[in-house]
Amino acid sequence: KQEVTQIPAALSVPEGENLVLNCSFTDSAIYNLQWFRQDPGKGLTSLLLIQSSQREQTSGRLNASLDKSSGRSTLYIAASQPGDSATYLCAVNRGGGSQGNLIFGKGTKLSVKP
Amino acid sequence: EAQVTQNPRYLITVTGKKLTVTCSQNMNHEYMSWYRQDPGLGLRQIYYSMNVEVTDKGDVPEGYKVSRKEKRNFPLILESPSPNQTSLYFCASSFTFSRPQHFGDGTRLSIL
Repeated sequence: KQEVTQIPAALSVPEGENLVLNCSFTDSAIYNLQWFRQDPGKGLTSLLLIQSSQREQTSGRLNASLDKSSGRSTLYIAASQPGDSATYLCAVNRGGGSQGNLIFGKGTKLSVKP
Repeated sequence: EAQVTQNPRYLITVTGKKLTVTCSQNMNHEYMSWYRQDPGLGLRQIYYSMNVEVTDKGDVPEGYKVSRKEKRNFPLILESPSPNQTSLYFCASSFTFSRPQHFGDGTRLSIL
């Protein structure tokens, strides 16, 4: 059974710091992995999607990496800003005939202090 | 404006009274999905649909029904709601299952 874990559950950093959020999964047979952001009282916003054949994806100050064999992904945020404060979730899209079935981690709540 | 629209946004109801939460997208997406979010349990997938007339169970389908008769709509039906279905529900869609998902703003259901 696929399980997705995100550590730490919460993180507080000063503005301007570079930071890394971690996501691990137990079954390497995934189709892709997505990173999302959720603001309080809102739905999720997709940040980056990495296909299983890819190693990383970049968008602006965000860089996500994927190491399928070790069951790990990281989300790197450069030069953090108070506006980056939110909960970040990763989700794996199961492969092997269950494409479309997404399993989410419980998220990392990020607070960037001015 | 491209969006996923859920209705209602908030609902308080009683055990056993059938209800439907509607989800509509205007982006011509093939893939649609329902999730519930609960404190301590995170976001869990209820049902998903790869295209019209194609639906599959997610991880917590018990007590829910869905249908996908047309591409833009994917309603979630609770035939006999129970208090353990009190939750925050999200609908999402994407061009295909392998593309980034767009989420609605959520529906908060309270079942007494």
